[in-house]
Amino acid sequence: EIVLTQSPGTLSLSPGERATLSCRASQSVSSGYFAWYQQKPGQAPRLLIYDASSRATGIPDRFSGSGSGTDFTLTISRLEPEDFAVYYCHQYSYLRTFGQGTKVEIK
Amino acid sequence: EVQLVQSGGGLVQPGGSLRLSCAASGFSFGDYWMTWVRQAPGKGLEWVANIKPDGSAKYYLDSVKGRFTISRDNAKNSLSLQMNSLTVEDTAMYYCVRDQGCRGPNCFSYYQLWGQGTLVTVSS
Repeated sequence: EIVLTQSPGTLSLSPGERATLSCRASQSVSSGYFAWYQQKPGQAPRLLIYDASSRATGIPDRFSGSGSGTDFTLTISRLEPEDFAVYYCHQYSYLRTFGQGTKVEIK
Repeated sequence: EVQLVQSGGGLVQPGGSLRLSCAASGFSFGDYWMTWVRQAPGKGLEWVANIKPDGSAKYYLDSVKGRFTISRDNAKNSLSLQMNSLTVEDTAMYYCVRDQGCRGPNCFSYYQLWGQGTLVTVSS
């Protein structure tokens, strides 16, 4: 099983700031089969990024994904009030596993 | 509208059974692999099971094998999860999701479309 470790656990930032979320895999994720989701309280997760760097339909371009191998990053260029949420990474290269989440909170 | 609407769930005693349902609309349900994902209270996401478009192949998380059964009725655009011999560790919000961008015969994929979730609580 590929274990995904997200860091930091919590990110305290102000609206307008840049957010950088990391996810490290215990072994290489082939072909960038990697996704990011956003989840707000009481809601289902929402797909943001798939195949490591492709934005899902309707996702603003302030969200971007990058990385390969074992290290992946989700960047939010300028935080909007609606971006404060929990973010999960997900690999679907072998089986399917998720990270434990990074909470982006208002500073 | 493209959507997944879930029903079922609730409170059940350890050892009991529950059936979750998911009604799909707005897309060609029979063309897609479908999956159940769960989330224990305050925890992360966990893949539970998935099923091939024609229902001929099903895959399960090791901890639910032999207890849970995923099924589908393409004529009714519906997905189900029969859960037997439930334990407290099965307590979670369960999401019906549509697989997207399948890789391999077991369909490793990402999840574009999610149901609203249904809560299963196993407690005495």
